[in-house]
Amino acid sequence: QTAVTQEPSLTVSPGGTVTLTCASSTGTVTSSYYPNWFQQRPGQAPRALIYDTSNKHSWTPARFSGSLLGGKAALTLSGVQPEDEADYHCLLYYGGAVIFGGGTKLTVL
Amino acid sequence: QAQLVQSGAEVKEPGASVKVSCRASGYSFTTYGLHWVRQAPGQGLEWMGWIRADSGNTQYSQKFQDRVTITRDRSASTTYMELSRLRSEDTAIYYCMRPRCTTCYADIDSWGQGTLVTVSS
Repeated sequence: QTAVTQEPSLTVSPGGTVTLTCASSTGTVTSSYYPNWFQQRPGQAPRALIYDTSNKHSWTPARFSGSLLGGKAALTLSGVQPEDEADYHCLLYYGGAVIFGGGTKLTVL
Repeated sequence: QAQLVQSGAEVKEPGASVKVSCRASGYSFTTYGLHWVRQAPGQGLEWMGWIRADSGNTQYSQKFQDRVTITRDRSASTTYMELSRLRSEDTAIYYCMRPRCTTCYADIDSWGQGTLVTVSS
């Protein structure tokens, strides 16, 4: 059974930079997996941040960027703000099926 | 701007079925598909299935294939997710989510607010 893996938790200082990754058990993640990234604050529905690897929605802050890195999809936050503390979920496309990673809890401390 | 409004919280007994709705506004309903996703307490997101709003064609996760039915009512701009033979592990928040373009499948831009389904005797 295919699995998508994210770091369970990461901690970053305000103003710092952090990279979250999203790996596939099938091997290298490419743009054909249409990686998406979502932010979810406690008690709220997820909010879309990045689609198709690196494209931002109109509401996505400039400090968020998506890429492919070392065979994985990656979300980089540069100049982290306190309000970036949240859970981050990635999504990968597998030809008709969609699989989410387990999520990364990002702490800003 | 697309808006997805879901039905209210439900409490069901084990073995029962639940039907959650997702009403769309702000865009042409039949030109976009819709996914259903769930999130158990303290857990990650789990994809359940998809429906094309124009044709009604569906695609389901293998995990839920025999218990989930996704339908739509074009006249009401509403999509439904029905889950049968409920068990306690189905206690979760259920979300609908929409792709960002009419030819997209996995590129998501909009989410419903979520519907809490509690399965308890």
